[in-house]
Amino acid sequence: SAVISQKPSRDICQRGTSLTIQCQVDSQVTMMFWYRQQPGQSLTLIATANQGSEATYESGFVIDKFPISRPNLTFSTLTVSNMSPEDSSIYLCSTEVYTEAFFGQGTRLTVV
Amino acid sequence: AQRVTQPEKLLSVFKGAPVELKCNYSYSGSPELFWYVQYSRQRLQLLLRHISRESIKGFTADLNKGETSFHLKKPFAQEEDSAMYYCALSPNGANNLFFGTGTRLTVIP
Repeated sequence: SAVISQKPSRDICQRGTSLTIQCQVDSQVTMMFWYRQQPGQSLTLIATANQGSEATYESGFVIDKFPISRPNLTFSTLTVSNMSPEDSSIYLCSTEVYTEAFFGQGTRLTVV
Repeated sequence: AQRVTQPEKLLSVFKGAPVELKCNYSYSGSPELFWYVQYSRQRLQLLLRHISRESIKGFTADLNKGETSFHLKKPFAQEEDSAMYYCALSPNGANNLFFGTGTRLTVIP
């Protein structure tokens, strides 16, 4: 299994600013994933982050808006840049161990 | 393209009654299907996966390829089953999970 500590758990931010979300895993993992859950919507994969390489973004998501770092096998960050109210969502990080996904607690972001 | 549909956003049942949470999917290949659950104030966690063919907490789910469904069932609902349930599909294991919108199950005492 894997335990992921994600922070912050929630934040209220001004439009035009950026927020960096951090995820720390209690073991070394190859892949980490970032999801977004907009109000009333399902979880949507933003990108996959492997250590030592650039993140792979899903359709509709771009690096300039959601830059991701993966400096080692236990840590990753997602930045939500130049925020607008439409970015208000829950952001989740995840990893996989033997085909089972483990999730952080989530970050509830509100942009005002 | 893949798609997971959970037609019920809310489902309420009485304690001891059977419960079925519906999930339909569309995918051209042979996906892996999962049910994830989020209890109040807890993180999202795996409940069961179709390849395991196991019963977890009394829940079972059978993959019906003909109907492209993966409904979650339990014969006798318990109050502690109240939670948000997500059906998810993966083309290749747990990577790249595609989720449905979720069903909030409330078990009435």
